[in-house]
Amino acid sequence: GAGVSQSPSNKVTEKGKDVELRCDPISGHTALYWYRQSLGQGLEFLIYFQGNSAPDKSGLPSDRFSAERTGGSVSTLTIQRTQQEDSAVYLCASSWGTGNSPLHFGNGTRLTVT
Amino acid sequence: AQTVTQSQPEMSVQEAETVTLSCTYDTSENNYYLFWYKQPPSRQMILVIRQEAYKQQNATENRFSVNFQKAAKSFSLKISDSQLGDTAMYFCAFMKHEVDYKLSFGAGTTVTVRA
Repeated sequence: GAGVSQSPSNKVTEKGKDVELRCDPISGHTALYWYRQSLGQGLEFLIYFQGNSAPDKSGLPSDRFSAERTGGSVSTLTIQRTQQEDSAVYLCASSWGTGNSPLHFGNGTRLTVT
Repeated sequence: AQTVTQSQPEMSVQEAETVTLSCTYDTSENNYYLFWYKQPPSRQMILVIRQEAYKQQNATENRFSVNFQKAAKSFSLKISDSQLGDTAMYFCAFMKHEVDYKLSFGAGTTVTVRA
């Protein structure tokens, strides 16, 4: 079946604009994760969904960042009033459950804020 | 917070030879998981191998094996018989057993396999 799909693949936006990043997880996966990868660095946890609820939002960098998941499937990560430091690759992953269930990652969205 | 350290930013290896990537971590937990992920230029993170801390036996997946030293908090990855397709960035990651959804990643090691 299809893997995790993210769109857009690349996004260039002007400072101050809002952006929406989309993630389509693997069908049936209940857990969904967002990570951020800044240039030359490892991944930084942003948020985790179990179904439609987000038990842990602790990784969101500021209140400009928000995420939702609807129908236990598609998730949208929204960044308001983008800043240059928001430039990064945003990776989404999904899994059947937590713990030892392997994460399946998408190809990410590369966000560039000019 | 857990800290994962990968001290080798870049490694180069000749095709068919062996390369070992180092990873150390800092935790006060006793139960946890450790992972190695591969990220090729496509950006997709691919799970290479995983280890549960309570298991003393080192995990192996085909040409990939780990040397898990719990007391030393060390988790190195050995790639044997390196292939050109192994060229990628490799990340070591840690997950607490009680917070079993959040991965903490190291900064990564870029591996280049030379023909």
